Amino acid sequence: GENVEQHPSTLSVQEGDSAVIKCTYSDSASNYFPWYKQELGKRPQLIIDIRSNVGEKKDQRIAVTLNKTAKHFSLHITETQPEDSAVYFCAATPGGFKTIFGAGTRLFVKA
Amino acid sequence: EPEVTQTPSHQVTQMGQEVILRCVPISNHLYFYWYRQILGQKVEFLVSFYNNEISEKSEIFDDQFSVERPDGSNFTLKIRSTKLEDSAMYFCASSDKADLRHGELFFGEGSRLTVL
Repeated sequence: GENVEQHPSTLSVQEGDSAVIKCTYSDSASNYFPWYKQELGKRPQLIIDIRSNVGEKKDQRIAVTLNKTAKHFSLHITETQPEDSAVYFCAATPGGFKTIFGAGTRLFVKA
Repeated sequence: EPEVTQTPSHQVTQMGQEVILRCVPISNHLYFYWYRQILGQKVEFLVSFYNNEISEKSEIFDDQFSVERPDGSNFTLKIRSTKLEDSAMYFCASSDKADLRHGELFFGEGSRLTVL
């Protein structure tokens, strides 16, 4: 079945710097890759997603890139702010009813 | 904006007791899910449900677990005889698409289960 690896597990950046979180997946049938942000004690919320017919997608300070050949996808946050501090999960959907999540990256943005 | 709602927000139970976690999915969604997140770990798929039957389940979803849609709005997860390792946050989710490659999962706020 699908397996999603996520790195790093913890990331600490200075406010204003960029943050990059990387994920790999194993199932070549996966073609939808959402990213979720989870603040402490709250529900995961979708922040951006990408489908396999696209190599990059941007939404203001957030961008996601996908390399289907290498089975890599990454989240880029520019001009980080303290409110970006949260746990970020990448995920892959190999089809059907299941979404497989990575282990999460705890992002700390220091003011 | 429509939301998935879950009750209770926190439940404490004794090992061996039965627990029912309740969810009200978004009203026009047809596909329902339960996920589990043990403290500090990843979100794990438990089960998906469509048209009053389980469509897919993970190896975590053993005979101790069951799901039901008892009426037109509620979707429940029952744990028959809780174990210490069932302590986790349980998230309900719903979607308006069968294939999640074409749709988004909407999560509820979660039900924290503590088994003593």
